[in-house]
Amino acid sequence: GESVGLHLPTLSVQEGDNSIINCAYSNSASDYFIWYKQESGKGPQFIIDIRSNMDKRQGQRVTVLLNKTVKHLSLQIAATQPGDSAVYFCAENHPSVEKLTFGTGTRLTIIP
Amino acid sequence: EAQVTQNPRYLITVTGKKLTVTCSQNMNHEYMSWYRQDPGLGLRQIYYSMNVEVTDKGDVPEGYKVSRKEKRNFPLILESPSPNQTSLYFCASSLNTKMEQYFGPGTRLTVT
Repeated sequence: GESVGLHLPTLSVQEGDNSIINCAYSNSASDYFIWYKQESGKGPQFIIDIRSNMDKRQGQRVTVLLNKTVKHLSLQIAATQPGDSAVYFCAENHPSVEKLTFGTGTRLTIIP
Repeated sequence: EAQVTQNPRYLITVTGKKLTVTCSQNMNHEYMSWYRQDPGLGLRQIYYSMNVEVTDKGDVPEGYKVSRKEKRNFPLILESPSPNQTSLYFCASSLNTKMEQYFGPGTRLTVT
């Protein structure tokens, strides 16, 4: 999962397996959450988002789960492919501030 | 094509020499933001703008200025760059803070 520090958490998954990336967010009042994927040399790209009135949201091969009780967010990627190798960031938005607060990221490596 | 553009993509400069990094979006977004990305620290917000002529400080505004004279443009100005501003910079835009932000390709700045 994500954490503050100098070293980026890493996750290695065999191609075709499912992966789960975890994120602990900081503010219990945050009401919007978003996952981004950043490939080497590129800007972050939107993957999926979820609002606090939901527990789960699904996209194409991705699912985001929100557990507000323990302030935990997870991103599940099904049937991983080599192109899924990237750094994944979660971000939260608190209703009283006009910004997203990003986690430090998790590096996902897909093993062929 | 909907996009956020930044220029230059790479810049090497010397301490104290004023520089501007341009950012432009073609999606008619009201919200724009600048981030810097440093190893292990994730994305940190420098400044943001809710609309034309409305700007506000993010988490790390010291040493930076911005302006929002037009909706599509949001330049980042370093009046007197210092080596601790060596970083990877991203501009982003969105309709509002509760929707996905679109990121530019990044500007890698080195200050010697």
